[in-house]
Amino acid sequence: QSALTQPPSASGSPGQSVAISCTGTSSDIGMFNFVSWYQQQPGKAPKLIIYEVTKRPPGVPDRFSGSKSGNTASLTISGLRPEDDADYYCSSYAGSPNLYAFGIGTKVTVL
Amino acid sequence: EEQLVESGGGSVQPGGSLTLSCVASGFRFSDYYMHWVRQVPGKGLVWVSHINGDGSVIGYGDPVKGRFTISRDNARNTLYLEMRSLRVDDTAVYYCGRGGVPAAKDVWGQGTLLVVSS
Repeated sequence: QSALTQPPSASGSPGQSVAISCTGTSSDIGMFNFVSWYQQQPGKAPKLIIYEVTKRPPGVPDRFSGSKSGNTASLTISGLRPEDDADYYCSSYAGSPNLYAFGIGTKVTVL
Repeated sequence: EEQLVESGGGSVQPGGSLTLSCVASGFRFSDYYMHWVRQVPGKGLVWVSHINGDGSVIGYGDPVKGRFTISRDNARNTLYLEMRSLRVDDTAVYYCGRGGVPAAKDVWGQGTLLVVSS
């Protein structure tokens, strides 16, 4: 299974914005509008924050937004808050044989 | 409250077997795809397997094909992962997740740790 490419880290001060990229291929991100993003706090399970590229589940603040262009998806966190300090993983449907690819994760630090 | 609770993790020797369970509550279990995802501590997430609501559609990631078997018992609201021929690199926290939205997991359990070591 090939992992999607994410930067290992990103940071910003409270109130600032941070964007995380997620690069795949024409067989996953480029082919399907099924990109999702997960937030994971230390020692906790992942939490879905974006699905189908741009949609937010109920209860997820609109500070979190997603987009896609070609083989690259992006997660933007606007108005950073201390509780946004976490690991973020992207994922894409990839079709057969390995149906879902995940990114390697990006550690977001709120300075 | 929609909830998933995994159990069955532990320590096993290479070549051994183990079955993980995931009990669902707070939603109609049989309506949903269910997934297993694993994570080596300190590393990224890796999709392991999925199964549809009635068990007729099943898929596996390459690292576990032929060794792991996913199943479900809708009467017991329980998802299973039977793991055989375990290897050291199967060591990970195993999460079950609900496929509640297209191609994503919207409810996750707390995870159960499998350690494969001699």
